[in-house]
Amino acid sequence: NAGVTQTPKFQVLKTGQSMTLQCAQDMNHNSMYWYRQDPGMGLRLIYYSASEGTTDKGEVPNGYNVSRLNKREFSLRLESAAPSQTSVYFCASRLDRTAGLFTGELFFGEGSRLTVL
Amino acid sequence: AQTVTQSQPEMSVQEAETVTLSCTYDTSENNYYLFWYKQPPSRQMILVIRQEAYKQQNATENRFSVNFQKAAKSFSLKISDSQLGDTAMYFCAFMKLLLGGSEKLVFGKGTKLTVNP
Repeated sequence: NAGVTQTPKFQVLKTGQSMTLQCAQDMNHNSMYWYRQDPGMGLRLIYYSASEGTTDKGEVPNGYNVSRLNKREFSLRLESAAPSQTSVYFCASRLDRTAGLFTGELFFGEGSRLTVL
Repeated sequence: AQTVTQSQPEMSVQEAETVTLSCTYDTSENNYYLFWYKQPPSRQMILVIRQEAYKQQNATENRFSVNFQKAAKSFSLKISDSQLGDTAMYFCAFMKLLLGGSEKLVFGKGTKLTVNP
């Protein structure tokens, strides 16, 4: 099973360039998340989506936009990349509480390392 | 807002020994889940163990167990018979359960555990 798939896994950008991180899950989950991980900071929530067509800001949304294209896909866009956005980005998804076997577990992709020069 | 504190940035343990990682959290909620995630050098986020706040019994998964002290808002992870493969970053995480289903996972900053041969 593929689970949660992120692309690309590595990317180098110059300041001011734009890019989109793609995420897709094949587990029929409604809830999807984007986190960033920085040394000594743990994982911080950028945006999340509780269902198709809805998105909400997390702890660190500035400089990012998201699109919940359909139930499977949740993309993260950097419109004008800054060096402060150098980080590892994780997409995750979660089974709904209404689905029966709710555990709260988030299933993560393998991460995308982004460097902004 | 909920906060999760891991007071030990780094720890080390000898192979086959036991080690305990600390985690405290701050919440006024009564209905929530707690998690420990492991992140080995591969960067993959792996669920180690979870605890539902309404359950008094401490969760156990093979060599991993927790000491959940709800009144003290403490959630420590004990690893018994440590193995070299346990070397990883360990993240404590908190999830408040919401009526609307928009649960988010809040992470601590992590503890880097090294198991020495």
